[in-house]
Amino acid sequence: AQRVTQPEKLLSVFKGAPVELKCNYSYSGSPELFWYVQYSRQRLQLLLRHISRESIKGFTADLNKGETSFHLKKPFAQEEDSAMYYCALYHPGNNRKLIWGLGTSLAVNP
Amino acid sequence: EAQVTQNPRYLITVTGKKLTVTCSQNMNHEYMSWYRQDPGLGLRQIYYSMNVEVTDKGDVPEGYKVSRKEKRNFPLILESPSPNQTSLYFCASSLSGLAGGWAGELFFGEGSRLTVL
Repeated sequence: AQRVTQPEKLLSVFKGAPVELKCNYSYSGSPELFWYVQYSRQRLQLLLRHISRESIKGFTADLNKGETSFHLKKPFAQEEDSAMYYCALYHPGNNRKLIWGLGTSLAVNP
Repeated sequence: EAQVTQNPRYLITVTGKKLTVTCSQNMNHEYMSWYRQDPGLGLRQIYYSMNVEVTDKGDVPEGYKVSRKEKRNFPLILESPSPNQTSLYFCASSLSGLAGGWAGELFFGEGSRLTVL
């Protein structure tokens, strides 16, 4: 069965430190993976998708098919990065379904 | 402003009293979906709609109904709410529905926090 695992419920780092939010998936096909972010009092929004190979707000994520991972990284965390981060896997089919991880709450301390 | 709008944002109700949570999007999106978010369970899909008059069950449809009479609106109906439906509900929309590829970007509403006593 398709599954997305975010092993850390909470991740706390200091400002300026590197941050890595882990995401592992299980999927038999070619995955499409996404990171969504929810800042305090804001709606959930797309941060980045693996097919775009882009860097958004200093964050990058590389799809590693061998390790079935899509970890989100940023070399220098900022306080404004504090938010809830969700990894999601796109399951093609009739319902355009996204399979969600349970999320990681990132706290960047001053 | 392009967005997904949900109402009400907060609601406290009692068991058995029918309620509707409205969802409207102004982006001409074909695809719309409802999720509930519960601690430790993450986001779970309740119902989705590929286009007008096309709806289908998600992972946790029991106790809910939806309709899609117009492209912009996708209300969530709780005919007889029960305490286990106390949750945070999100509506989301996306450009593609039945045809074409899907960019994978869901646009979310701000959420509706429902408490059923």
